[in-house]
Amino acid sequence: EVQLVQSGAEVKKPGESLRISCEGSGYNFSTYWISWVRQMPGKGLEWIGRIDPRDSYTNYSPSFKGHVTTSADKSITTAYLQWSSLRASDTAMYYCARHGGYGLARFDYWGQGTLVTVSS
Amino acid sequence: DIQMTQSPSSLSASVGDRVTITCQASQDISNYLNWYQQKPGKAPKVLIYDASNLETGVPSRFSGSGSGTDFTFTISSLQPEDIATYFCQQNDDVPLTFGGGTKVEIK
Repeated sequence: EVQLVQSGAEVKKPGESLRISCEGSGYNFSTYWISWVRQMPGKGLEWIGRIDPRDSYTNYSPSFKGHVTTSADKSITTAYLQWSSLRASDTAMYYCARHGGYGLARFDYWGQGTLVTVSS
Repeated sequence: DIQMTQSPSSLSASVGDRVTITCQASQDISNYLNWYQQKPGKAPKVLIYDASNLETGVPSRFSGSGSGTDFTFTISSLQPEDIATYFCQQNDDVPLTFGGGTKVEIK
C-alpha cells in the first residue's frame, strides 16, 4: 500500500527555521516526483514546488522560490520542506503529494498534512 | 503562469441532482487537467485526471470533459457523501496551478 506520512504539527516563532518531512512507503520512492502544496486557513490549494528524488532536481513556484527549499533523501525514502526564516504568513497546512506517473502527472497519493503555525 | 478560473465558487443542490462545475484555463493546456475532492480536515483526493479519465476506485457518477481552455466536471447524481470542495488543477506546465475551488452543499 502506497503511503506518504508527514511529520507532526509545528508551532514556531517568526524568524525561526523549520524542516518538515514526508516519508514514502509501499512503492519505489525514486521513481515518482514529490510536490509540496500549501493550504492557508480556509483557502485554496497552492503549489510550492516539486522534487525528483532520483537526482534531487527541483522546480519552484515563483511565489515561493527563495523562501522555501525542498530536498529528498532516497536512502530513507523521505522528502523535506524547509524554511530558514519563518513568517507569520507561513501559517498553513502543508501537504506532500506524489506525482502518479511520468513527469507532472496528477497527484495520486497525498500525505495527511502538516500544520505549521507561526506566531510570536 | 497559467490561471485557472473555476465556477461557481459554491453551490447548493438536492440529493440526486446533476451538478456541474466549470474550469477555464488562461491558455491552451490540451487535456492536462485534473479534478480533486477535498473533504473538511482531509487531504485532497484525485477523481479525474487528464480531463476525462476516472481514477481507479472512484464512483462512475463523477465525470470530466473538455480540452484546450474549457473543462467541465459533473456529478451525475449528487450523494450526501459528495459534500466537499472540488478543485481543478492544470499540470501542463510549472508552476502548477489550481482553480479557486467549488464548495458543494446539500440543499
